[in-house]
Amino acid sequence: KQEVTQIPAALSVPEGENLVLNCSFTDSAIYNLQWFRQDPGKGLTSLLLIQSSQREQTSGRLNASLDKSSGRSTLYIAASQPGDSATYLCAVRPGSNTGKLIFGQGTTLQVKP
Amino acid sequence: DGGITQSPKYLFRKEGQNVTLSCEQNLNHDAMYWYRQDPGQGLRLIYYSQIVNDFQKGDIAEGYSVSREKKESFPLTVTSAQKNPTAFYLCASSIDGAARRGYTFGSGTRLTVV
Repeated sequence: KQEVTQIPAALSVPEGENLVLNCSFTDSAIYNLQWFRQDPGKGLTSLLLIQSSQREQTSGRLNASLDKSSGRSTLYIAASQPGDSATYLCAVRPGSNTGKLIFGQGTTLQVKP
Repeated sequence: DGGITQSPKYLFRKEGQNVTLSCEQNLNHDAMYWYRQDPGQGLRLIYYSQIVNDFQKGDIAEGYSVSREKKESFPLTVTSAQKNPTAFYLCASSIDGAARRGYTFGSGTRLTVV
């Protein structure tokens, strides 16, 4: 059974710091992995999608890596800003045709001015 | 702009009442999904549909029902059989069941039992 874990559960950093959010999954047979951002009381906004054959994806100050063999993905945020404060969710699409995403519990990030 | 529209944003349900949450997408996606989000439990799949007129149960389908009569619509009914319906409900879609381009989520409906 696929399980997704995100560490840490919460993180508080001063503005300007570079930071890394971690995601691990127990079954390496994934189709793709997606990082989302969720603001309080809001829906999910897709940040980056990494296919199983890819090693990383970049969008602006965000970089996500994928090491399928070790069951790990990281989301790197460069030069953090107070507007980056949100909950970040990692989700894997299993290789089997179950039609569903398996989510981690999320990392709640606070960037202090 | 294409996207997913969920309505209403807030919904209040009395004990024993059925309520229906709306989800509409104009992305021309084949597959649609309903997730439930509870504090400390993450997101859990309720139902999903990979094509019109077909849907499958997810991990927590008891007390819920869905229909998929049109490609762009996937309404969720929370029945009186759902004993703990208070939660944040999120609808999502993907271009197909394989989700080659990932998933797009709506802005959610917060359901509260009063």
